[in-house]
Amino acid sequence: GAGVSQSPRYKVAKRGQDVALRCDPISGHVSLFWYQQALGQGPEFLTYFQNEAQLDKSGLPSDRFFAERPEGSVSTLKIQRTQQEDSAVYLCASSLYLGYDRGYEQYFGPGTRLTVT
Amino acid sequence: GQQLNQSPQSMFIQEGEDVSMNCTSSSIFNTWLWYKQDPGEGPVLLIALYKAGELTSNGRLTAQFGITRKDSFLNISASIPSDVGIYFCAVSSGSARQLTFGSGTQLTVLP
Repeated sequence: GAGVSQSPRYKVAKRGQDVALRCDPISGHVSLFWYQQALGQGPEFLTYFQNEAQLDKSGLPSDRFFAERPEGSVSTLKIQRTQQEDSAVYLCASSLYLGYDRGYEQYFGPGTRLTVT
Repeated sequence: GQQLNQSPQSMFIQEGEDVSMNCTSSSIFNTWLWYKQDPGEGPVLLIALYKAGELTSNGRLTAQFGITRKDSFLNISASIPSDVGIYFCAVSSGSARQLTFGSGTQLTVLP
């Protein structure tokens, strides 16, 4: 079946613009995660949804970052008033919960590369 | 910040050689995962480890979950050109659903 898809793949924004990044998870995966990956680094957690509920947003770097998943499927990460330090790859991952002793095996989309000029 | 120490940072090897990389932590984790990321793509799950001491293989890849729950290694046997990429270890615990990633090992396979 289809994997996780993200759009757009590339986005160039001028400083101060708002952007919206979309994630389509694997069908049936109730859990959805957003990560930010700076150049040369590993992905860092931003926020987590279980169905439509946002259960953890502790990784969001500022109140300019907002995520939603209103129907428990597609998710959107919105960044308001973009700054140059927001330039990064934004990765979405979806997962099934496999039980307490196995946790989550997360499957990633290709990412959206955001460049703020 | 990152809680995982992944080494080496980069490796240059000849095609056909075996490769080993490892990841250590000062904290205990219940799950260790190994991902590979190609340029312009998202990380792809290679191996997942759930039990301390567990040794798991996936084709030419073998990974072990350290008995102390604070480390893991990944071995690649008989490397081929398509093994080129960045390999990340990642961990999670039962209470924290998100993954914490290492800083990655950049693997280059020379013909």
